[in-house]
Amino acid sequence: QQQVKQSPQSLIVQKGGISIINCAYENTAFDYFPWYQQFPGKGPALLIAIRPDVSEKKEGRFTISFNKSAKQFSLHIMDSQPGDSATYFCAGHNTNAGKSTFGDGTTLTVKP
Amino acid sequence: GAGVSQSPRYKVAKRGQDVALRCDPISGHVSLFWYQQALGQGPEFLTYFQNEAQLDKSGLPSDRFFAERPEGSVSTLKIQRTQQEDSAVYLCASSLGGGGTYEQYFGPGTRLTVT
Repeated sequence: QQQVKQSPQSLIVQKGGISIINCAYENTAFDYFPWYQQFPGKGPALLIAIRPDVSEKKEGRFTISFNKSAKQFSLHIMDSQPGDSATYFCAGHNTNAGKSTFGDGTTLTVKP
Repeated sequence: GAGVSQSPRYKVAKRGQDVALRCDPISGHVSLFWYQQALGQGPEFLTYFQNEAQLDKSGLPSDRFFAERPEGSVSTLKIQRTQQEDSAVYLCASSLGGGGTYEQYFGPGTRLTVT
């Protein structure tokens, strides 16, 4: 049972462009929605997270948009840079259960 | 300061061998998590400790998998009689507080290959 579906699987963007990654969830017990960035050979690193009672959160070039009624959320990376090339994972987190459920990841390539 | 460290970074085991994977969390972090990450997929939850107590082990795939954190700091994930389907990266994460916070800090993982 895949509780968090992520798309696209891979994404190629030109430097300076906007990268958009989408996720949809099923489990209404999730109470936080974090995004992680993972470089090859490294563990995931927390980028930004949002609560379901907030529609948008921005930190620097990274913005999460959240649509509770549609059970969808997305990550926007503005002014994408080659250094942003990595795999991005969305997740749903259930604080009571203490566990995160991850999407399958999006491999982002930013071309110079 | 030092992050989460894991050892070994790479492990090759013959099918049927037992392996032990170690996780050193960030000092003072109360919660510790183990995840399994198959190639091309996101991490999947295995188990969760708060201090030395294993609060959730629902993600462990079989009784061949066992995790412990006896003194509430270092944790070991043990896999007995390894099978080829156990090949994956095993990630450890820790968080400062208890209560299952989402703010988890991941280690680099141990890549296990079962031949």
